[in-house]
Amino acid sequence: GAGVSQSPSNKVTEKGKDVELRCDPISGHTALYWYRQSLGQGLEFLIYFQGNSAPDKSGLPSDRFSAERTGGSVSTLTIQRTQQEDSAVYLCASSFGGRVAGELFFGEGSRLTVL
Amino acid sequence: AQKITQTQPGMFVQEKEAVTLDCTYDTSDQSYGLFWYKQPSSGEMIFLIYQGSYDEQNATEGRYSLNFQKARKSANLVISASQLGDSAMYFCAIPEDCSNDYKLSFGAGTTVTVRA
Repeated sequence: GAGVSQSPSNKVTEKGKDVELRCDPISGHTALYWYRQSLGQGLEFLIYFQGNSAPDKSGLPSDRFSAERTGGSVSTLTIQRTQQEDSAVYLCASSFGGRVAGELFFGEGSRLTVL
Repeated sequence: AQKITQTQPGMFVQEKEAVTLDCTYDTSDQSYGLFWYKQPSSGEMIFLIYQGSYDEQNATEGRYSLNFQKARKSANLVISASQLGDSAMYFCAIPEDCSNDYKLSFGAGTTVTVRA
């Protein structure tokens, strides 16, 4: 497809389980971002990938969160030993990159519910 | 980190009327940009409009325009001739700082409901 694709769209898991969220950015976009949106809130920056540079992981809330981007394209956000406070919508975005904040193209998000 | 404030949690507007969404920000950077995004019920964030602090004229994109008042650190979004499809949440955002301008700080959002 032409847009940013995320999967799964919904994930319900039990506390303590690991989850993986996938993002397939727009072809040709070198920058990829993960944001988290808690219920009724704005977006919280998690991590940024730009080309082959080391990612900016400064927004990851704890060491239970990790992300990787393989081959400069698809990214996976992994949350280990999920907690109830991890429940949120995880939004992925991509852009043409560069360090100037340009238009971000977002996916529809993965809604995570931790029971 | 920058602070973005959207003081209107929800607004109702009659179809075909204009609505103004407030956004104030706090930054020490001299050069910065400000974005507005729309989030319909589908969840996808859709870019609407952008203006750089160095731009002399307020940005316009179709029915969207920015009322940028740098001295007040205010960048309100005006939606003219509202349509039912404009019902959504609206977020303003600004880069965290000029050295991390890929990191956007978002406000808490304003829900707009357009009535027929």
